[in-house]
Amino acid sequence: DAGVTQSPTHLIKTRGQQVTLRCSPKSGHDTVSWYQQALGQGPQFIFQYYEEEERQRGNFPDRFSGHQFPNYSSELNVNALLLGDSALYLCASSGLDRMNTEAFFGQGTRLTVV
Amino acid sequence: AQSVAQPEDQVNVAEGNPLTVKCTYSVSGNPYLFWYVQYPNRGLQFLLKYITGDNLVKGSYGFEAEFNKSQTSFHLKKPSALVSDSALYFCAVRDMNTGFQKLVFGTGTRLLVSP
Repeated sequence: DAGVTQSPTHLIKTRGQQVTLRCSPKSGHDTVSWYQQALGQGPQFIFQYYEEEERQRGNFPDRFSGHQFPNYSSELNVNALLLGDSALYLCASSGLDRMNTEAFFGQGTRLTVV
Repeated sequence: AQSVAQPEDQVNVAEGNPLTVKCTYSVSGNPYLFWYVQYPNRGLQFLLKYITGDNLVKGSYGFEAEFNKSQTSFHLKKPSALVSDSALYFCAVRDMNTGFQKLVFGTGTRLLVSP
């Protein structure tokens, strides 16, 4: 059973560019959340997608946007990249009993903005 | 607002000794509590959770955690540490009363187990 998979694993972008990160949830899961983990920090919630809609959003600017597809996979888009956007971006998926189950995380995408 | 505090940046313990990694939380309603472990250049791996029921929760790899409502704590424990337990540990909380699944994480505690 494949867990949560993210691509790419590493990415280097230039300030001002745009980036798209991808996530496939664990089999049987329909909810995807995205987190940003800066160096030396705990993960910070960006937003969550369920039924192809953004259901909850953390304290991140509109430069951060996302999408969920009918197969439950998801994309995270970041526009006008800043140096401060350099971080590990984690995708987490959860199942139908969303409140009582734990979230499963992917290995993350390491984004470096230069 | 939810919050989690992990007061120790690093915990050092000798192999074979018991270990404790501390976590305190704050939520407006009833908490769902989680512990995750992160190895270098990897994502987060689920260890255990408290939803309801017994205050002592057992999880993966011999880890357990004790929920203490009066002290708003959820400390991670293991009776006998292994060198391979060395990693970064995160405590997280979700407010079950809000209906949201957002996890709020602590800043993490690095566990170093020496041979």
